[in-house]
Amino acid sequence: QVQLVQSGAEVKKPGASVKVSCKASGYTFTSYDINWVRQATGQGLEWMGWMNPNSGNTGYAQKFQGRVTMTRNTSISTAYMELSSLRSEDTAVYYCARGVLGSSWYVVFDYWGQGTLVTVSS
Amino acid sequence: DIVMTQSPDSLAVSLGERATINCKSSQSVLYSSNNKNYLAWYQQKPGQPPKLLIYWASTRESGVPDRFSGSGSGTDFTLTISSLQAEDVAVYYCQQYYSTPSFGPGTKVDIK
Repeated sequence: QVQLVQSGAEVKKPGASVKVSCKASGYTFTSYDINWVRQATGQGLEWMGWMNPNSGNTGYAQKFQGRVTMTRNTSISTAYMELSSLRSEDTAVYYCARGVLGSSWYVVFDYWGQGTLVTVSS
Repeated sequence: DIVMTQSPDSLAVSLGERATINCKSSQSVLYSSNNKNYLAWYQQKPGQPPKLLIYWASTRESGVPDRFSGSGSGTDFTLTISSLQAEDVAVYYCQQYYSTPSFGPGTKVDIK
């Protein structure tokens, strides 16, 4: 069965960076884009960007351009999302999700990771 | 960017009764070349990630009970739960994928 398993919770200071991992299993990792979506506590869902595991190509939401980097290691079927220059407003649960139906920018998300809480606090 | 809105913010429905959630996009998400609406619905229970319920505005994802249905076209869409069950208590989000993905603010469904 398809599974996306994310790394554990992180606590970071303002200005630091965080790198979250997402290990895929149950399907061919290189066949589907991995997207990242975040959710502040009690808030809605915010799409951050996509990464094509086959090519390594990426596309980021304008809001996160320059601060986010999405990468992968195909040998271990794992995707990564690194967010830099963290501020308190970045405190949220970060989800990886598999993109389906359309091309990279125009997808729905059929499988999700369990989420990783990133807390930014001094 | 396409802005999604939902109404109501929350609703309480008796078990077995109908729940209706509305979603509106700031511009049409109907792609004329294939006549498909690029609109999806998700269900999120506390402490869990979202679950895909419906895509193309009205196509149920595999395994989703048929009491969930989606309708609408262009800019106005509806998610209907025909007979609310206790396990349907959740927040429901619409999402457009006509352009870079964006979600509605969510509608919380509770039992009356």
